Amino acid sequence: GQNIDQPTEMTATEGAIVQINCTYQTSGFNGLFWYQQHAGEAPTFLSYNVLDGLEEKGRFSSFLSRSKGYSYLLLKELQMKDSASYLCAVRPHNAGNMLTFGGGTRLMVKP
Amino acid sequence: NAGVTQTPKFRILKIGQSMTLQCTQDMNHNYMYWYRQDPGMGLKLIYYSVGAGITDKGEVPNGYNVSRSTTEDFPLRLELAAPSQTSVYFCASSYDSSTDTQYFGPGTRLTVL
Repeated sequence: GQNIDQPTEMTATEGAIVQINCTYQTSGFNGLFWYQQHAGEAPTFLSYNVLDGLEEKGRFSSFLSRSKGYSYLLLKELQMKDSASYLCAVRPHNAGNMLTFGGGTRLMVKP
Repeated sequence: NAGVTQTPKFRILKIGQSMTLQCTQDMNHNYMYWYRQDPGMGLKLIYYSVGAGITDKGEVPNGYNVSRSTTEDFPLRLELAAPSQTSVYFCASSYDSSTDTQYFGPGTRLTVL
C-alpha cells in the first residue's frame, strides 16, 4: 500500500523561511512531486525530485532522501501570496504516471 | 492553449440522479486523470487513461464510469449520485513521459443532496 504523511497545518511570518516535511512509504519509488493549491483553485506544479539531494527553483527548494522516505519543501522570503496548501505526491515504481497524494499542508503566512 | 478545461464549475444533484462531468485538454497529452478532493484532504485518483480507447481504475472508482473516445476528451459519469460523492472533482493531463508533471483543470464542485 501507499502511505504519505504531511503536517496538516503550519503558520509562518512574512519574510521568514518555512520547511514543509513529507514522509512516504510506497511500493517502489519513481519520483516525488510538490504541488501548490490556493483555496478554491486547482493544484499547480512546483517541483519534482527523483534523485537524492536538493532542487532549487527561485524562492522554493525541494529535498529528497530516498533511503529515509523523506522529502521537504523549503520556502524562503515568505510572501502573503504563499498562503496555500502544499501537496506532496509520490509516483510508485511501475505506476505509469499515476500519483499518490498526501493530505496536503495548509500554510498560513501572517504579516 | 486553453490547457485543461472542465464543465460545469458547480452542480447540485439529488440522490439517484446522474450526470457527466466534462473534461477537455488541447495539449495533445496522452494521459488523463480524474481525481476527487474532499474538504481538507488530498487528491484521490478515480480513473485514468493512457490514451484513446484505454481506461483503468484508480484508488476510488466505485460509483463512477469513464470513457476516452478521443485524445482530447475524458468525461466522468456518475450514474446514481450519492451524498458520499459530494466533493470537488479535478481532471488532469500529462505527456506519457514518466517524469512529466500533471496539469490540472479548474475543478467541478459537486453537491449531492
